[in-house]
Amino acid sequence: DAGITQSPRHKVTETGTPVTLRCHQTENHRYMYWYRQDPGHGLRLIHYSYGVKDTDKGEVSDGYSVSRSKTEDFLLTLESATSSQTSVYFCAISDAGARNEQFFGPGTRLTVL
Amino acid sequence: AQKITQTQPGMFVQEKEAVTLDCTYDTSDPSYGLFWYKQPSSGEMIFLIYQGSYDQQNATEGRYSLNFQKARKSANLVISASQLGDSAMYFCAMRSDNYGQNFVFGPGTRLSVLP
Repeated sequence: DAGITQSPRHKVTETGTPVTLRCHQTENHRYMYWYRQDPGHGLRLIHYSYGVKDTDKGEVSDGYSVSRSKTEDFLLTLESATSSQTSVYFCAISDAGARNEQFFGPGTRLTVL
Repeated sequence: AQKITQTQPGMFVQEKEAVTLDCTYDTSDPSYGLFWYKQPSSGEMIFLIYQGSYDQQNATEGRYSLNFQKARKSANLVISASQLGDSAMYFCAMRSDNYGQNFVFGPGTRLSVLP
């Protein structure tokens, strides 16, 4: 199994507070991704990174920012959490290659009250 | 634009029988990859199988095979000899080369295997 951890695994916070989720990999993969999963929507891409300090927006990036200062760490920040950001957040990694399949972390359940 | 459609919100199959989960996709890019993932009730996402748009043969991985019909833009997952442990959500996903690392997922199909 790919070495991907996410922290925290569960978090409850209040509207308007900043929140940072961390993804850590031990596979030295180039690409890292943040998704959110909501019922009826599958997984939707928030942001991804294609290298240290290189990031790009996904489908649902509004209200989120990311940073990648080291190959192994990818941070997702909610600057001012809203109830619509209550979701399960998944980090994924992939490497360059023909298949480029993604391997996922265990997920973080975030509740914004 | 890229889009994945999974028209079966839920499916039932008898243990030991085969089942087909439908997936259709939309892209104008000639080069793309199609993926299937499994999500059991425990929540983790498990990669199952991959099909490249230029692959001549349908992909197979153990009991999983992908019925790839390029002209119809469909990439159905076939699970042979279903097991109780196959009960899970199944997601079809696509990545088109023109969209970089923008993976798109379908809404998923919940498969229930009956004893």
